[in-house]
Amino acid sequence: SQQGEEDPQALSIQEGENATMNCSYKTSINNLQWYRQNSGRGLVHLILIRSNEREKHSGRLRVTLDTSKKSSSLLITASRAADTASYFCATDGPIIQGAQKLVFGQGTRLTINP
Amino acid sequence: EAQVTQNPRYLITVTGKKLTVTCSQNMNHEYMSWYRQDPGLGLRQIYYSMNVEVTDKGDVPEGYKVSRKEKRNFPLILESPSPNQTSLYFCASSSQGRRETQYFGPGTRLLVL
Repeated sequence: SQQGEEDPQALSIQEGENATMNCSYKTSINNLQWYRQNSGRGLVHLILIRSNEREKHSGRLRVTLDTSKKSSSLLITASRAADTASYFCATDGPIIQGAQKLVFGQGTRLTINP
Repeated sequence: EAQVTQNPRYLITVTGKKLTVTCSQNMNHEYMSWYRQDPGLGLRQIYYSMNVEVTDKGDVPEGYKVSRKEKRNFPLILESPSPNQTSLYFCASSSQGRRETQYFGPGTRLLVL
């Protein structure tokens, strides 16, 4: 089963509004990453937050991490049409039988309406 | 320019006809991986490689093979493709394993008839 699960699956807002997406995961992690994907294209790294960090900013992006709740949120402020994309979280989970996988969630499809 | 390249970008094939999707990175990254993306299922890791000659299974390895003979290349091989392998495939690389930034290729859209 997926380690990371995003919520909501789809989000539609007006340009200029803030968009918040959530990611929940099941096991302990070292880092959690957020990626953006424009339709059918490769994923682009947005931000990485480590397990000992609670909040991180990058431009209009703000990421929070609550390890006690095993959840993270991505906030995009003052949204723009160019922010229309799918957003994924990725978690690194524990090493099980030597396996070092990176697990992505199913993504949140964000649409910014002009 | 630092990048991950994949070829081909689009491929239509028939069941059982062996194919290879190439992946190459020019950033001297040690960690490379393959993902497939399907509607409603997100990205799922197929195989990954920690370094040359070191590969391991991801979550959905069945029906796929990989090799890592050189640091820059990580081809994905479908020995006998089936229609359920129709998908969008991504290769990715990272300088420090799964815990750091992954750089993705542009994707390969595969249709198996």
